[in-house]
Amino acid sequence: QKEVEQNSGPLSVPEGAIASLNCTYSDRGSQSFFWYRQYSGKSPELIMSIYSNGDKEDGRFTAQLNKASQYVSLLIRDSQPSDSATYLCAVTNAGNNRKLIWGLGTSLAVNP
Amino acid sequence: EAQVTQNPRYLITVTGKKLTVTCSQNMNHEYMSWYRQDPGLGLRQIYYSMNVEVTDKGDVPEGYKVSRKEKRNFPLILESPSPNQTSLYFCASSLDRGSNIQYFGAGTRLSVL
Repeated sequence: QKEVEQNSGPLSVPEGAIASLNCTYSDRGSQSFFWYRQYSGKSPELIMSIYSNGDKEDGRFTAQLNKASQYVSLLIRDSQPSDSATYLCAVTNAGNNRKLIWGLGTSLAVNP
Repeated sequence: EAQVTQNPRYLITVTGKKLTVTCSQNMNHEYMSWYRQDPGLGLRQIYYSMNVEVTDKGDVPEGYKVSRKEKRNFPLILESPSPNQTSLYFCASSLDRGSNIQYFGAGTRLSVL
């Protein structure tokens, strides 16, 4: 069974700090990587996608991918209380199947 | 506005009473899927559809049925609900399975008594 693992948290950071969320995956052939944010009781919403090694920045968010080490991370700069949510990592497995494998999520709390 | 619409948002029912949760998307997406989300178990795919009249089982299909007669609609049917189907359900769609940028409906919270 292909797996995506995340630390469940809660990860607690002060307002204005950098929050670092990590995700590891087991399928070495994985090609597409996604970070979704989910507020309590709400639906997941895509915040970042990354497909090649390195960093990808979008506003306060930076996704980092290292395929050799099989991890993908999400950095949130200048964290705000509104960033408090669960962050889900999702990875597409290799081959024709292209199935999306979800992690269980990391709960982030940004304290004012 | 591009959206995935699920109905109802909340539903309380009793064991054995058939129910349908509707899902509709207005983005002309080919790929649609249903998930359930439970504490400690995360998002688990129930069924998915690659296109009209093409459906397949996900990871937890037992006790559920789906149909895809039109591209925009993908209803989830529980023929005989049981308490272990109490969960938060999400419908999602994407342009195709390969892109996998999925757009989610607002969710349906189902309680089976």
